[in-house]
Amino acid sequence: GAGVSQSPRYKVAKRGQDVALRCDPISGHVSLFWYQQALGQGPEFLTYFQNEAQLDKSGLPSDRFFAERPEGSVSTLKIQRTQQEDSAVYLCASSLERRLAGGSGTGELFFGEGSRLTVL
Amino acid sequence: AQTVTQSQPEMSVQEAETVTLSCTYDTSESDYYLFWYKQPPSRQMILVIRQEAYKQQNATENRFSVNFQKAAKSFSLKISDSQLGDAAMYFCAYRSLHASGGSYIPTFGRGTSLIVHP
Repeated sequence: GAGVSQSPRYKVAKRGQDVALRCDPISGHVSLFWYQQALGQGPEFLTYFQNEAQLDKSGLPSDRFFAERPEGSVSTLKIQRTQQEDSAVYLCASSLERRLAGGSGTGELFFGEGSRLTVL
Repeated sequence: AQTVTQSQPEMSVQEAETVTLSCTYDTSESDYYLFWYKQPPSRQMILVIRQEAYKQQNATENRFSVNFQKAAKSFSLKISDSQLGDAAMYFCAYRSLHASGGSYIPTFGRGTSLIVHP
């Protein structure tokens, strides 16, 4: 598609339920990032993929959070046994590889509209 | 790790006037990108302007311009002739040009909420 697509846009879960959030990046974008954004705050890094490889997952807050990108395109962020503190907007962003990494990108991230998760 | 600081949680401006949003960052690197992103309420984040650290000339995009002071590690955004549609959260972001290390991951400030009064 023309832009980064995320689904669902809104998700309400009962505490303890598992949720899965999907991200479809811009075609050809090598890098994919997941961020968590609390209300009124800036995006906080969760995890980063280069193609299908998860190169950095240092921002995942607990082992209840899991992300994958098995074919190097669509990515899924899964949260198991959701807690109220997981309530946030989950942003997905993609980018071309940067010039010094051999790509033609300019470092810019292209964001989806986000998935707003509310845990009751 | 790199940090990005936006010290103004909220700024107000009258329509048609000029406003400057502040951003400072901390890095030991010499090659990096700096960005300003705009996030309207309940809408997606979009790029406003980008600056490459090796370029001394300040970036400009129509009514948006930056004041990049590399030695001071300062990167402010100036919005001229403010419009009602400029009302949004503005985030400053840093990204290293180098693939190694965590600074390759874009780091964002906490944001400044811009209110535009008619």
